[in-house]
Amino acid sequence: AQTVTQSQPEMSVQEAETVTLSCTYDTSENNYYLFWYKQPPSRQMILVIRQEAYKQQNATENRFSVNFQKAAKSFSLKISDSQLGDTAMYFCAHTGGNRDDKIIFGKGTRLHILP
Amino acid sequence: DAGVIQSPRHEVTEMGQEVTLRCKPISGHNSLFWYRQTMMRGLELLIYFNNNVPIDDSGMPEDRFSAKMPNASFSTLKIQPSEPRDSAVYFCASSPPWDRTLYEQYFGPGTRLTVT
Repeated sequence: AQTVTQSQPEMSVQEAETVTLSCTYDTSENNYYLFWYKQPPSRQMILVIRQEAYKQQNATENRFSVNFQKAAKSFSLKISDSQLGDTAMYFCAHTGGNRDDKIIFGKGTRLHILP
Repeated sequence: DAGVIQSPRHEVTEMGQEVTLRCKPISGHNSLFWYRQTMMRGLELLIYFNNNVPIDDSGMPEDRFSAKMPNASFSTLKIQPSEPRDSAVYFCASSPPWDRTLYEQYFGPGTRLTVT
């Protein structure tokens, strides 16, 4: 069964610092997709970044980047130059490469950016 | 585009009452998902539709929950009768036609349900 584990329930960092959120997953498939979603206090779920397993290059979106270690089944999110607006719950998610595969979400990491 | 629209945003009801949550997916999206979020269980997929057809409802907690998608632009999640343990935030999400390079879900703002 596919699982997604986020081992850090809550984290706090100072504004402008760099923070890394951890995520591990379990799958028997060779092709799949990984995501990081952000949920700010407004509750809206927003896609932050996406990684396709067959691509070795780590995905990057502005201040957000991932460290994708396929062999270790690890998919961490790095936020550089953190901003107060980054305060949110962050969910790691995984889905297979088939049409009817579901997205499996981790429990989330609550990130506080301190002024 | 207005994004995924959910109504109501907040619902407070008494135990035993029927509750209906509504969702309008993004135009052109052909997959629709219903999730439930609680502190204890996190984000759970309840059911999802593809081209208006339920594909997987294994996450629906029990027979008190039912979901329909009569057309491509509307879906409902109904709880009858409601119980206090159903209190949660319910999200609807939609995604565009399946594409290996996308598979991104667009979430609505959620409905906060409180059953007293």
